[in-house]
Amino acid sequence: GENVEQHPSTLSVQEGDSAVIKCTYSDSASNYFPWYKQELGKGPQLIIDIRSNVGEKKDQRIAVTLNKTAKHFSLHITETQPEDSAVYFCAASDLTGGGNKLTFGTGTQLKVEL
Amino acid sequence: DSGVTQTPKHLITATGQRVTLRCSPRSGDLSVYWYQQSLDQGLQFLIQYYNGEERAKGNILERFSAQQFPDLHSELNLSSLELGDSALYFCASSVQGAVGSPLHFGNGTRLTVT
Repeated sequence: GENVEQHPSTLSVQEGDSAVIKCTYSDSASNYFPWYKQELGKGPQLIIDIRSNVGEKKDQRIAVTLNKTAKHFSLHITETQPEDSAVYFCAASDLTGGGNKLTFGTGTQLKVEL
Repeated sequence: DSGVTQTPKHLITATGQRVTLRCSPRSGDLSVYWYQQSLDQGLQFLIQYYNGEERAKGNILERFSAQQFPDLHSELNLSSLELGDSALYFCASSVQGAVGSPLHFGNGTRLTVT
């Protein structure tokens, strides 16, 4: 099956700075890579996703890049704000056994300090 | 709010007991997923249903079972509970059941086994 590694596990930035979270995946056949934000006491919320036929995708202050050759993808948050503080998870599609399975990274606790 | 409703929010029970977790998907979504989130294992895929039929299975224990009903809501049954089953259980739903269909998560059921 798929294996996803995520770094760093914790990230502290000053308000207004940029934050970058990186993930690598193992299965070169994976073709869908979503990112989720999880706030305390809530479920993961989809914030952006990218498919393997695209190298970069942007949505306001959030962008995701994908390098299929190296099998890694990254989340970039610009002009960070306190409300960006949360745990962020990357995920990759797991094509073994059919269905729409996602394998998640271990999460990054992002803290945006004033 | 993702539109996915999970009940109950919290559940405390004893070892050896059986519990049922319930999930109502977003309006219009045909596929339902169950994930387990624990501190040591992260977010783990359990099972997926699409329009009432099982579509994919993860590392779901034999003591656990699930189903999706004709009205598309789903239930996850956990039996012979052990201390290690204590975790957050998330339901997610998607419009389609194929790879790349975005998942939308509910806020989870926190299960504590004492």
